[in-house]
Amino acid sequence: EVQLVESGGGLVQPGGSLRLSCAASGFMFNYYDMHWVRQTAGEGLEWVSGVGTEGDTHYSPSVMGRFTISRENGKNSLHLQMNSLRAGDTAVYFCAKAGRRGHGDQGGFDIRGEGTVVTVSS
Amino acid sequence: EIVMTQSPATLSVSPGERATLSCRASQSVRSNLAWYQQKPGQAPRLLIYDASTRVTGIPARFSGSGSGTEFTLTISSLQSEDFALYYCHQYNNWPPRDTFGPGTKVAVK
Repeated sequence: EVQLVESGGGLVQPGGSLRLSCAASGFMFNYYDMHWVRQTAGEGLEWVSGVGTEGDTHYSPSVMGRFTISRENGKNSLHLQMNSLRAGDTAVYFCAKAGRRGHGDQGGFDIRGEGTVVTVSS
Repeated sequence: EIVMTQSPATLSVSPGERATLSCRASQSVRSNLAWYQQKPGQAPRLLIYDASTRVTGIPARFSGSGSGTEFTLTISSLQSEDFALYYCHQYNNWPPRDTFGPGTKVAVK
């Protein structure tokens, strides 16, 4: 069974940093593109960042230059380093695997975890 | 950015009735569209991808159709567990520039 367990969220002041992690199991991690998706009460769902099976990284314009996504295939782990956090980054962050294996061929997002809550506030 | 819109915002339906949810893209996304169901306190659950392919384990009462800019999710006979929020999501590009619709709430009439 596919499992994606997020961790690392918390309360941080504006300008601060957090590192989110996702522990994956139940599938061939290195064969799937992986993503972070966030959800706010007011703005709904937003794609944040993705990393392809080839290690290529991609970001939403809203986080470009502040967030860094990475994957550790040997540990079946996904990470999101978030720097220069803003109030607008407050959200539940979900780890997601592509719905289909292979590079750049998404087939939707398979989101299994409860997410991790990030609150940016002074 | 491809803007996704969904209608209606809320759909009031009686159990056993058919529900039809619409999703529109601001430009063609071909068939690169997914539908999700979300219940309070839970993660979005992938129901349909590639506009019409049901995920393994999703009941046959859920069906998706459309391509280009107009898409529909149909729930043929609503069960009590189907009252939830439904989102559409386009994944037409790589590198990714995915966007989601604002959601349709399916509520008990």
